[in-house]
Parts: sequence; C-alpha cells; structure tokens
Amino acid sequence: DAGVTQSPTHLIKTRGQQVTLRCSPKSGHDTVSWYQQALGQGPQFIFQYYEEEERQRGNFPDRFSGHQFPNYSSELNVNALLLGDSALYLCASSFELLYGYTFGSGTRLTVV
Amino acid sequence: GDSVTQMEGPVTLSEEAFLTINCTYTATGYPSLFWYVQYPGEGLQLLLKATKADDKGSNKGFEATYRKETTSFHLEKGSVQVSDSAVYFCALPAGAGSYQLTFGKGTKLSVIP
Repeated sequence: DAGVTQSPTHLIKTRGQQVTLRCSPKSGHDTVSWYQQALGQGPQFIFQYYEEEERQRGNFPDRFSGHQFPNYSSELNVNALLLGDSALYLCASSFELLYGYTFGSGTRLTVV
Repeated sequence: GDSVTQMEGPVTLSEEAFLTINCTYTATGYPSLFWYVQYPGEGLQLLLKATKADDKGSNKGFEATYRKETTSFHLEKGSVQVSDSAVYFCALPAGAGSYQLTFGKGTKLSVIP
C-alpha cells in the first residue's frame, strides 16, 4: 500500500518564477493538506483540500494556491517566488483528523 | 488558537539512556494530541497519539500520557538507540473543529554510541 507520494523531490527555481508541486494521497484518503517547513522549524499549515474545494487556509499569501483533482491528488502552486519561499513542502493526507495525518517525504524547494 | 510548547533542543544522549521530551499544550476543550518524528532527509511520521484525557499512546518503545491536570503530553522512552536520532514534534489541532495541525518547534535528539 503506497503512502503519500510527492514530486519532485528537489527543485531549484529563480526568484520571480512560478512552481507547481504534486501530491498523491494514501489509498483510501480523501483529504490533502499542504505544509511549509522552513529549516529548523515545525511545519506551518498552508491549506487543506477536500472534495476539490479549499476547506481551510493558513496564514499564507494568495501567491500560494492549490487544486484537488477528482482522484484526490493535489497540486500546490506558488507564484512570484521569493527567497523566503525556500523550504521543505510537505503534503499530508487523511480521512479523519482524529487518526492523524500521513505525510509524504516532501519537496525541497530552493529559490535562488 | 490552540498551541503547544515543546522543550528546545538539541538533546544529546548516550545509547540506553532514558529520554524525556516535554510538551505542554494550551487548548479549549480536550483535543487529540500527537507526537510526530522526522528522520534526517525525510517527511514526518506519526509516532503516537492520544485522543482523550488519561490515554497513553505508545509505539516503538515510546510512550506519552495525556494529562489534563498539567496540560502535558511528555514523550518518554526507557532506553534510546542510535536509530532514534531524529527530530520530534508535538502537535494538536489548531482549534475545535479545525482541520489544521499546529506543531511545536521540534526537538532534535542525537543518540551517541
């Protein structure tokens, strides 16, 4: 049973560019959340998708947007990249929050 | 919103030593509480959880008891191994009905032979 799959694992972008990160949830999970983890910090909630709608959003600017597809997979898009967007981006899937999320291994984004 | 305060590291222990990582929470009501572990270069893995007061979560020799009297959820292990070297995060939902997990800043544990 595959867990949460994220792609790519690493990428380097130039300031001002746009990036798309992808996530396939664990089998049986219908909810996808995205977190940003800066070096040496705990993950920070970006947003959550359920039934192809953004259900909840954290304190991130509109440059961060997302999408969920009918097969429950999800994308995170970041426009106008800033140096401060360099971080590990984690995707987490769940069916019921009560049981905790299953996290992917993340995408390491470096903005230069 | 609800929050957790986690002891700061890094923590360095010798193999077979006893481990305690403190976590206290601030919340309205009695939320579920979680410990996650992040091994070097990897994402987060759920280590253990507790869903109500006095529950004890356990996994891989780690334990944590949900104590409402002290609003704590301290992580313990009786005898750590080199393979336990990782960053440990305490977490809870951001608020009643919230789908967001709020994490502590993490505690880096290094176990030396």
